[in-house]
Amino acid sequence: TQLLEQSPQFLSIQEGENLTVYCNSSSVFSSLQWYRQEPGEGPVLLVTVVTGGEVKKLKRLTFQFGDARKDSSLHITAAQPGDTGLYLCAGGQGAQKLVFGQGTRLTINP
Amino acid sequence: DTEVTQTPKHLVMGMTNKKSLKCEQHMGHRAMYWYKQKAKKPPELMFVYSYEKLSINESVPSRFSPECPNSSLLNLHLHALQPEDSALYLCASSQVGQGGTGELFFGEGSRLTVL
Repeated sequence: TQLLEQSPQFLSIQEGENLTVYCNSSSVFSSLQWYRQEPGEGPVLLVTVVTGGEVKKLKRLTFQFGDARKDSSLHITAAQPGDTGLYLCAGGQGAQKLVFGQGTRLTINP
Repeated sequence: DTEVTQTPKHLVMGMTNKKSLKCEQHMGHRAMYWYKQKAKKPPELMFVYSYEKLSINESVPSRFSPECPNSSLLNLHLHALQPEDSALYLCASSQVGQGGTGELFFGEGSRLTVL
């Protein structure tokens, strides 16, 4: 079974700071996705990266897929309280089978 | 607004009850999923239906019984559950086939409490 390790598991920072969340594996994934989940709701897809070295930007969020397609990072610039949530990376493990990382619980304090 | 609708949002049941969770999507997706999520944990895959046929069962106990009546509907029938089955049950859907990267669209979940 392919595993995805996320770090840090918990992160609490002040509004306006920058942060990076990492998602690492020893296995190659055909694609990797990032989701954000707020309490009491289902995860919402933020981005999918498919090409090694790919960088995608979504407003203040920057996602990168490693050259070897084994790791990914999420960088948030000037974090805001609305960014608070559980961030999950997920990699494809065969048809219709995603493996999720353990998640990073992010808290942005006003 | 989510395009995957789950009902009920909250369910409390006893260990001898029979209940069902329902999920509906109208995005034309032909893969539908049930995930279980415990507090402070990531979602865990339970079942996958592809073209209305069960394609993945992650060794889920038989007290959970999935059903896919048509391409838009997915049910999870619950019987004789245990308190440790209390969790958020998430339904998701995705495209199937060439070019699909398995992007999941989740519902808001059904929070189940087993007494």
